[in-house]
Amino acid sequence: ETGVTQTPRHLVMGMTNKKSLKCEQHLGHNAMYWYKQSAKKPLELMFVYNFKEQTENNSVPSRFSPECPNSSHLFLHLHTLQPEDSALYLCASSQDGETGRGGKLFFGSGTQLSVL
Amino acid sequence: GQNIDQPTEMTATEGAIVQINCTYQTSGFNGLFWYQQHAGEAPTFLSYNVLDGLEEKGRFSSFLSRSKGYSYLLLKELQMKDSASYLCAVGSGGYNKLIFGAGTRLAVHP
Repeated sequence: ETGVTQTPRHLVMGMTNKKSLKCEQHLGHNAMYWYKQSAKKPLELMFVYNFKEQTENNSVPSRFSPECPNSSHLFLHLHTLQPEDSALYLCASSQDGETGRGGKLFFGSGTQLSVL
Repeated sequence: GQNIDQPTEMTATEGAIVQINCTYQTSGFNGLFWYQQHAGEAPTFLSYNVLDGLEEKGRFSSFLSRSKGYSYLLLKELQMKDSASYLCAVGSGGYNKLIFGAGTRLAVHP
């Protein structure tokens, strides 16, 4: 148990569907992240939120829309996805935004997304 | 560009020692991380190096050479439960920028 919970664990959706991924952290952290993990590829940073403010959008297509209502919750809204968007979507949190300075990430178990 | 290289797969025997190498070329450097990820589970933090040298933590050790852009993770007294993917990541370019390698899948055999 990492203190970061993601739901659902598995999701199958058609290209015309709209769905949302949810992430909740119980660690009192101030920064939250969305990563995409495709088979045999590096983890790709998608979005970063620091104190509810988006500080990073790594050129992610607009069919992915993040929402961070507070420091404990993070959503990823999905619409009109493509089959190549099928991947494991990981949420993470850290104490503050300084992951590059020793602040380690705590990951959730991810949502395995399949787009048909 | 940003690039992190590590072997795709490795195999080792229970009780042995294995070294997983990682080389990196990044535009900035704020430290190097190793994460462990079992199949279907969350990646979990193993180690962090920001200065050159060896950091030891139980059966796991991590080494860094900044001048060579090189790190390794050393696993001693291997156990079956060490079968997992090991992710090398570099903190680069300020806040929140963690760049990951593709991971090394380690299989430990009896």
